[in-house]
Amino acid sequence: AQSVAQPEDQVNVAEGNPLTVKCTYSVSGNPYLFWYVQYPNRGLQFLLKYITGDNLVKGSYGFEAEFNKSQTSFHLKKPSALVSDSALYFCAVRDASGNTPLVFGKGTRLSVIA
Amino acid sequence: GAGVSQSPSNKVTEKGKDVELRCDPISGHTALYWYRQRLGQGLEFLIYFQGNSAPDKSGLPSDRFSAERTGESVSTLTIQRTQQEDSAVYLCASSLDRGLVETQYFGPGTRLLVL
Repeated sequence: AQSVAQPEDQVNVAEGNPLTVKCTYSVSGNPYLFWYVQYPNRGLQFLLKYITGDNLVKGSYGFEAEFNKSQTSFHLKKPSALVSDSALYFCAVRDASGNTPLVFGKGTRLSVIA
Repeated sequence: GAGVSQSPSNKVTEKGKDVELRCDPISGHTALYWYRQRLGQGLEFLIYFQGNSAPDKSGLPSDRFSAERTGESVSTLTIQRTQQEDSAVYLCASSLDRGLVETQYFGPGTRLLVL
């Protein structure tokens, strides 16, 4: 079975500081990994995905994520946080070897303080 | 249309009533997904449709839940005899196909409250 863990319910960071939102996963084969963001009163928006190749993936709004196979992690990062980055962030995984649905984590609420 | 649309945006109903939620996917997207998001929880997969293939209903929590899709267009999720634990945001997503690497595009959701 595949699963995703987002160990932090809430992350607070000052504007201009770097931010990290953590995600670890478990799949039987190779993973396909995704990050989505949900702004207040809006639907989920795709940020980035890792399929294969370079472990560092760059996405929308200046976000990036690093795939670490040995640590089974896919942490989301941004060098300099903006107040407008405040939202709910979801990590998701799918096993590349099976025809299974995308499994989402419980989400991490990011608050960027001016 | 620009994106996935869902209606109604909010629905309040009484316990025991049936409700029907609608999803209009992005034109040309052959795959369509329904998820449930309970307060403070992650997304829970319910069902997906891919073209004319039989839908994957593995995530439906009970036989009170059902969904239909007309061709590669509109989908409706029906909840019969609603219960208070059905209260959640129901999200619909679509993608170009069911390929494992395809990005899903989400609608704004329908917020369901069962009294």
